[in-house]
Amino acid sequence: AQSVTQLGSHVSVSEGALVLLRCNYSSSVPPYLFWYVQYPNQGLQLLLKYTTGATLVKGINGFEAEFKKSETSFHLTKPSAHMSDAAEYFCAVAPRAGTALIFGKGTTLSVSS
Amino acid sequence: DTGVSQNPRHKITKRGQNVTFRCDPISEHNRLYWYRQTLGQGPEFLTYFQNEAQLEKSRLLSDRFSAERPKGSFSTLEIQRTEQGDSAMYLCASSLAGGGGTRYTFGSGTRLTVV
Repeated sequence: AQSVTQLGSHVSVSEGALVLLRCNYSSSVPPYLFWYVQYPNQGLQLLLKYTTGATLVKGINGFEAEFKKSETSFHLTKPSAHMSDAAEYFCAVAPRAGTALIFGKGTTLSVSS
Repeated sequence: DTGVSQNPRHKITKRGQNVTFRCDPISEHNRLYWYRQTLGQGPEFLTYFQNEAQLEKSRLLSDRFSAERPKGSFSTLEIQRTEQGDSAMYLCASSLAGGGGTRYTFGSGTRLTVV
């Protein structure tokens, strides 16, 4: 069965610093990969996704992620953190297009001034 | 695209009561998913439909849970004889099977509190 591991349940950075949120997946074949953000008492908003093609994916709000098949990773980065980036971030995989997403446990990002 | 709509936003119920939640997906999306999210955890898959057919159910979906999508449009999730452990956020998502099937859109969720 597929699974997703997000390393670090809580990441703290200073405003303007690099953001790095880690995600590793287990799968026998490259799945579809997603990053979602969730603000308190809200639903999930898609940041970016990888399906096929270019392994460096750019998303909204300056985030990007790189699919590394050899490392089974899909880490999320942002060069310069903003206070508004403070939220919960979830990595997810889908074995095939349209099948149910499998989520990691999430990483809470805190940004200090 | 009006998004995925979930009602109610919040529900407080007494233990042992039955509750029903509704999800209205994006109109052209033929797949609909239900997830449960407890505090500090990622969403856990419960079940999903393609049109009116329920294609997959998680082992998390106990006998007290039932989901329907009778006309392939909106869906309902019913929990019978609620327990305190059922307190969670229930999320609905929809997608379009096929070329656009990698776009999953989530609703804002229904927060259930069982007292």
